[in-house]
Amino acid sequence: RKEVEQDPGPFNVPEGATVAFNCTYSNSASQSFFWYRQDCRKEPKLLMSVYSSGNEDGRFTAQLNRASQYISLLIRDSKLSDSATYLCVVNSNYKLSFGAGTTVTVRA
Amino acid sequence: GAGVSQSPSNKVTEKGKDVELRCDPISGHTALYWYRQSLGQGLEFLIYFQGNSAPDKSGLPSDRFSAERTGGSVSTLTIQRTQQEDSAVYLCASSLAVGSWEEDEQFFGPGTRLTVL
Repeated sequence: RKEVEQDPGPFNVPEGATVAFNCTYSNSASQSFFWYRQDCRKEPKLLMSVYSSGNEDGRFTAQLNRASQYISLLIRDSKLSDSATYLCVVNSNYKLSFGAGTTVTVRA
Repeated sequence: GAGVSQSPSNKVTEKGKDVELRCDPISGHTALYWYRQSLGQGLEFLIYFQGNSAPDKSGLPSDRFSAERTGGSVSTLTIQRTQQEDSAVYLCASSLAVGSWEEDEQFFGPGTRLTVL
C-alpha cells in the first residue's frame, strides 16, 4: 500500500466553481501535512500547511482528519490559474511522502 | 533571492554510463534532500543530508546510487552504470531545518530530467 494515496482526477471545472478532493495516508505517526502545487514540468511549490483544526488561505481550505487519516483541499471560486496538479504531502520527521497528485483543470 | 538550482537541466545518456547531478541549495539551508519523480508517479525520497552527513540513505534504489555533500552546501548525486529504469526527473530540495519539522518548508529546485537510452 502506498504511503499517500490520491484520486488522480482529472477534475475539469468551469471558472468560479468549487472543487474538492482528498488524500489518505497510511502512517498514523505522521506529524505534519501539506498541500503542494506542481505546474506542468515545474518543481513542486508549497501551497499550504494543513493543521488539525482546519485552515484557510484565501480561496483554499484544507482539513485534516487524523482519526480517519485523510486530508482534504477545497478550492472556491476557481480561477484559470488554479489549473495544476495538487500534491498531498505527509511529513514524518524530515521525510516527506508525496501522493501522485490530483490534476485540476479550470476552463473558461 | 536565489532559490535552489540544479544542473544540468536535462541529461541524455546511454545505458551503462555514469552520470553526476548537481544541486546548489539556498544559502544557509542546512538540510538537503534528493527525490526522484517518474512519469505519472509521486515524488520518491532518495536521501537526506543534515550538513555534510547523510543520516538517512534508505531511499537510494540500489548501490549504483550515491550522493555526497561538501562544505554543507553543494551536493552531487551519482548514478553508476545507468539503466533505463533510472530515467526520471531528479529533484533536490533544501530547508533551514531549525525549529520543528512541522514548520520546516522544503524548497525545490527545477530538477534534472534524466533520460537513459
